[in-house]
Amino acid sequence: AQSVSQHNHHVILSEAASLELGCNYSYGGTVNLFWYVQYPGQHLQLLLKYFSGDPLVKGIKGFEAEFIKSKFSFNLRKPSVQWSDTAEYFCAVKTGTYKYIFGTGTRLKVLA
Amino acid sequence: NAGVMQNPRHLVRRRGQEARLRCSPMKGHSHVYWYRQLPEEGLKFMVYLQKENIIDESGMPKERFSAEFPKEGPSILRIQQVVRGDSAAYFCASSPPDRGHAIEAFFGQGTRLTVV
Repeated sequence: AQSVSQHNHHVILSEAASLELGCNYSYGGTVNLFWYVQYPGQHLQLLLKYFSGDPLVKGIKGFEAEFIKSKFSFNLRKPSVQWSDTAEYFCAVKTGTYKYIFGTGTRLKVLA
Repeated sequence: NAGVMQNPRHLVRRRGQEARLRCSPMKGHSHVYWYRQLPEEGLKFMVYLQKENIIDESGMPKERFSAEFPKEGPSILRIQQVVRGDSAAYFCASSPPDRGHAIEAFFGQGTRLTVV
């Protein structure tokens, strides 16, 4: 069955620490990959996406992700987090033209 | 983001009542999707609608749940005779008419339904 796994459910970091959130998917076909962020009380916002081309994708707010096809992974990174990055992060795979499969989310708390 | 608007943001219903969740897509978007997020789980696809048509409802529970997207007005997700297990966050997303792979969906803030 198609699935997306986010291994870290809760992450606590101090400001300026580096961040890496893991995301693995299981799907044999062509995939489009996304990371979304949800700040408290707000809607899901797109951080970055991968459709094709350069597997290292740069998104908003200093985030980047690397698509490693052989590992079925799309890990999210940020070299130095800020308190304002406190939010929930969702990895998602789009299979076909419209259906997204989401991971369970990672709650990041950044301590000032 | 004057984008996808969902209301209400929070909804409390007693067991057996009906819940109506509304979603107004972004301007120019004619495709609407509903997702449900149960506690400690990821968002799960429920239904995909275009104006006046249900395209894919494979994620909808077979009973008590229905969705519509009329020619005029918002999309409605309706849950009849709610039970405690319906408590969840319900997210709506919309996308423009082109169904190519490169099209992304834009999500609303969600409606948090609590059944007491």
